[in-house]
Amino acid sequence: DGGITQSPKYLFRKEGQNVTLSCEQNLNHDAMYWYRQDPGQGLRLIYYSQIVNDFQKGDIAEGYSVSREKKESFPLTVTSAQKNPTAFYLCASSIRDSTGTEAFFGQGTRLTVV
Amino acid sequence: GQQLNQSPQSMFIQEGEDVSMNCTSSSIFNTWLWYKQDPGEGPVLLIALYKAGELTSNGRLTAQFGITRKDSFLNISASIPSDVGIYFCAGHLSSNTGKLIFGQGTTLQVKP
Repeated sequence: DGGITQSPKYLFRKEGQNVTLSCEQNLNHDAMYWYRQDPGQGLRLIYYSQIVNDFQKGDIAEGYSVSREKKESFPLTVTSAQKNPTAFYLCASSIRDSTGTEAFFGQGTRLTVV
Repeated sequence: GQQLNQSPQSMFIQEGEDVSMNCTSSSIFNTWLWYKQDPGEGPVLLIALYKAGELTSNGRLTAQFGITRKDSFLNISASIPSDVGIYFCAGHLSSNTGKLIFGQGTTLQVKP
């Protein structure tokens, strides 16, 4: 089935450790996005990428890093510099065109830092 | 960053009632998208709008792309218990279509 897959669904890490969240899509989409969602809040953009080997900071990029070495993959690393990393992380992808198109989401990864 | 102002923040309605929510911004958008999110899951796309003035339906859902390109609304008719969830508007800015931003969400609760 075509879709976007995030793994793992739940992740626990000790404070001070870096952790990488996986996002893979087989939809042949050019653009991919990472969002953070806190309880009762909307989605805030962390990073986005429109093509391979290129990405831009979103509104809350501090303490996060990404790479886009392959079209299918857009992993997000939550570094020890992120002061409050516990949150629900959502990855999305979309076709890239001049007008903007609909984005499709993965199931999310709930990260808990203890 | 740019903001989408979504209202109301929450709604508690009786089954069978109609629901309306909207998003506004000071910026111009090329695309408006409406999503629904169930607890612990990723948002699911409900309706996509691409042209100013466009009115699109998906079953009991109807959404419109505002003429000014700065707003959109979503209506749900004859609500049912499974409509419960969080509804988000989202859009691609006309100045930078690579960036997809979201409203704060509307939490809908339906009383049977």
